[in-house]
Amino acid sequence: QKEVEQDPGPLSVPEGAIVSLNCTYSNSAFQYFMWYRQYSRKGPELLMYTYSSGNKEDGRFTAQVDKSSKYISLFIRDSQPSDSATYLCAMIEQGAQKLVFGQGTRLTINP
Amino acid sequence: DTAVSQTPKYLVTQMGNDKSIKCEQNLGHDTMYWYKQDSKKFLKIMFSYNNKELIINETVPNRFSPKSPDKAHLNLHINSLELGDSAVYFCASSQATWVYGYTFGSGTRLTVV
Repeated sequence: QKEVEQDPGPLSVPEGAIVSLNCTYSNSAFQYFMWYRQYSRKGPELLMYTYSSGNKEDGRFTAQVDKSSKYISLFIRDSQPSDSATYLCAMIEQGAQKLVFGQGTRLTINP
Repeated sequence: DTAVSQTPKYLVTQMGNDKSIKCEQNLGHDTMYWYKQDSKKFLKIMFSYNNKELIINETVPNRFSPKSPDKAHLNLHINSLELGDSAVYFCASSQATWVYGYTFGSGTRLTVV
């Protein structure tokens, strides 16, 4: 079993829809949680980050962490075609330097 | 200016060959990494160097050998290439004091034929 599980999709939604992306994990030592966005033929770019449990909002994006359920989510409101990319969750233990990624979900927003 | 740059971007080579991928970062970060992304987009760490010292060495065949001449450079040499080595290899860097600050290069797409 992988440390971090993420539905690879693909996920296709119409423009303007609310998108929900999720990851589950098994390692309770993970403390820092991130979402990366990866466009085709590019490297991953940091989109959102949170520490421990809670919510964080940045514009159209909201990241949620529920450590009791070992579950993290990324919500995208008013989705745009430019949001079409692969979204990867990532997490890391306190004091560690090894970022562990989920498989990535390929998202397409249709105009 | 590209923060983390990798060369080459594309590499097509025959089985059994030896090849190298180079990485440079101009962010002043003290830690650099090699990640491998397979055809299913799964990104997995291979190696990590902190100030030229190897700190993470995942279960990677010893045909893969990283080298860090200084903290701004991390190269990856692969001996006796196999078909299964075909993947995209990403270099990344970070500052040890800020876990969120990983910056990735654009990747090197390696195809072994």
